[in-house]
Amino acid sequence: QVQLQQWGAGLLKPSETLSLTCAVYGESFSDYYWSWMRQPPGKGLEWIGEINHSGSTNYNPSHKSRVTISVDTSKNQFSLKLSSVTAADTAVYYCARTRLYYDSRGYHEFDYWGQGTLVTVSS
Amino acid sequence: SSELTQDPAVSVALGQTVRITCQGDSLRSYYGSWYQQKPGQAPVLVIYGKNDRPSGIPDRFSGSSSGDTTSLTITGAQAEDEADYYCNSRDSSGNLVVFGGGTKLTVL
Repeated sequence: QVQLQQWGAGLLKPSETLSLTCAVYGESFSDYYWSWMRQPPGKGLEWIGEINHSGSTNYNPSHKSRVTISVDTSKNQFSLKLSSVTAADTAVYYCARTRLYYDSRGYHEFDYWGQGTLVTVSS
Repeated sequence: SSELTQDPAVSVALGQTVRITCQGDSLRSYYGSWYQQKPGQAPVLVIYGKNDRPSGIPDRFSGSSSGDTTSLTITGAQAEDEADYYCNSRDSSGNLVVFGGGTKLTVL
């Protein structure tokens, strides 16, 4: 049974760096992408970015200049750093496993999710 | 294009059938996936691919795809199906991920 467990600081001041880690249990890192999403209070889901086991990344252009996603395959963990946070970055942050594969069309889904971490940015 | 469009809100009478749609150019290249989210909980995958359900998802949930539109159908909606539903896909380039804005389903 695949489980994702995430943790990180829940209260930040403006200009600080958000740092979250997601540990993967019950599954190898290979063959998947690993993603971060967020959801501001009362709003919809937003994709932040993803990484695969070899460290190849894709980022949402809206946050690309501030985001770094990294992976530690020895620990089956991946991490998110978001620099220079503001109140607009207040949200519940989720990690998730991404399945991406192709036949005549592409398939993409997030099949396992972490429990979510509320990050509040306030002075 | 990197946008997926959903109706903000839909309602259905208990036991009736409801369809929630998601439209976007990238859906011509990628199958959409659908997520159910209840208040205070993480999203849960309910439909993916052509019309597949993860283990544990009731068979009243089904999916379909035509052109630039993907649909989630709940046949015989139950009170516990009241939730927000999000569609998701890659964008047409395949390098980015996009979500629809979400549909709030009310079961009357």
